[in-house]
Amino acid sequence: GDSVTQMEGPVTLSEEAFLTINCTYTATGYPSLFWYVQYPGEGLQLLLKATKADDKGSNKGFEATYRKETTSFHLEKGSVQVSDSAVYFCALSDAGGTSYGKLTFGQGTILTVHP
Amino acid sequence: DTAVSQTPKYLVTQMGNDKSIKCEQNLGHDTMYWYKQDSKKFLKIMFSYNNKELIINETVPNRFSPKSPDKAHLNLHINSLELGDSAVYFCASSQDNRQGTQYFGPGTRLLVL
Repeated sequence: GDSVTQMEGPVTLSEEAFLTINCTYTATGYPSLFWYVQYPGEGLQLLLKATKADDKGSNKGFEATYRKETTSFHLEKGSVQVSDSAVYFCALSDAGGTSYGKLTFGQGTILTVHP
Repeated sequence: DTAVSQTPKYLVTQMGNDKSIKCEQNLGHDTMYWYKQDSKKFLKIMFSYNNKELIINETVPNRFSPKSPDKAHLNLHINSLELGDSAVYFCASSQDNRQGTQYFGPGTRLLVL
């Protein structure tokens, strides 16, 4: 079945540092890939997405590129801010079979950014 | 206007009780979902409805029963609550049941004592 693996956290960075959160996936079909962010005490918000190979999703300075050859969708940001502190989830949605568009999530990576 | 709303936001109850969580979306979407987030933040699909029809029913105890009275609402009823049901329950919706973006509600934090 489908699965998503994220790098282990938590990740602690200083403000303005470079961020990478690794994400790899296994899917039977041609999935869409997503990064969601969860701020403390809140629900999940879509951060960015990519729907086919070599697509790059970007938002708020975050980027991720859909790499079919390495089955990866790593999240990057060049300069993090304290306000980026949150839990980040990589997810895939596979319309094939009986998936019906459900999201399969990675385990989440807690990011803390210090001033 | 809140796109996906859930009530209640917090729910504290005793073991053995029955409780319901309600979800409403005003996005005009056809598909709605329930996800469970455990204490380690792991998220897993429970149910999905498309146009009021159940299309996903993961291996969830039959004490959990979803109901969709119309496309804009998806409720979750839980019978005989157990300690292990303590979690955050998220409702989400998407335009259809393909691979579109899902929009999440704020979550319902359930604590079973």
